[in-house]
Amino acid sequence: DGGITQSPKYLFRKEGQNVTLSCEQNLNHDAMYWYRQDPGQGLRLIYYSQIVNDFQKGDIAEGYSVSREKKESFPLTVTSAQKNPTAFYLCASRRDRENTEAFFGQGTRLTVV
Amino acid sequence: AQSVTQLGSHVSVSEGALVLLRCNYSSSVPPYLFWYVQYPNQGLQLLLKYTSAATLVKGINGFEAEFKKSETSFHLTKPSAHMRDAAEYFCAVSEEGTGNQFYFGTGTSLTVIP
Repeated sequence: DGGITQSPKYLFRKEGQNVTLSCEQNLNHDAMYWYRQDPGQGLRLIYYSQIVNDFQKGDIAEGYSVSREKKESFPLTVTSAQKNPTAFYLCASRRDRENTEAFFGQGTRLTVV
Repeated sequence: AQSVTQLGSHVSVSEGALVLLRCNYSSSVPPYLFWYVQYPNQGLQLLLKYTSAATLVKGINGFEAEFKKSETSFHLTKPSAHMRDAAEYFCAVSEEGTGNQFYFGTGTSLTVIP
């Protein structure tokens, strides 16, 4: 079955450590997105990519980095520069059309300990 | 610039009552509009979408929404609430020429009272 896989589902990080969240899709979608979700704030866009080897900052990119070396994969690194990384992170993908829906992974809950 | 406003961060209804979740958008061109549902600790699932065809859109689980250009609204309704409808609901907008970006509302948490 086609879909988006995020791993791990739960992740614990010590302060000062970088951590990478995985996102893989087999839907042959061109566009991929990373969102951060905090209670009462909805989804905020961190980074997005429309094509391999290209990506753009979203509204809250500071303290995060991404790569898009393959169409299927869009990993997100939460760096030590991110002041408040504890959150629920969602990855999504979409065909390269504005009238199509995005498909979401099941999310990764990151907790800084 | 495009944006989405969801009025009411929390809505409570009795089981069997009408569900109405409000969404207003701001867009300089005809938008594409979407409603998603999220259950705890899960990703988002598409309920329905408007892409400039019929203004009344039917989705999964008995939900529907009506696009009203004059009111810049895309409210989500369901005639009779079930306990399983308790979840978080998000409205989203996309439009031509924005580099494939979605813009989400802040969400509405629906509680269904038995």
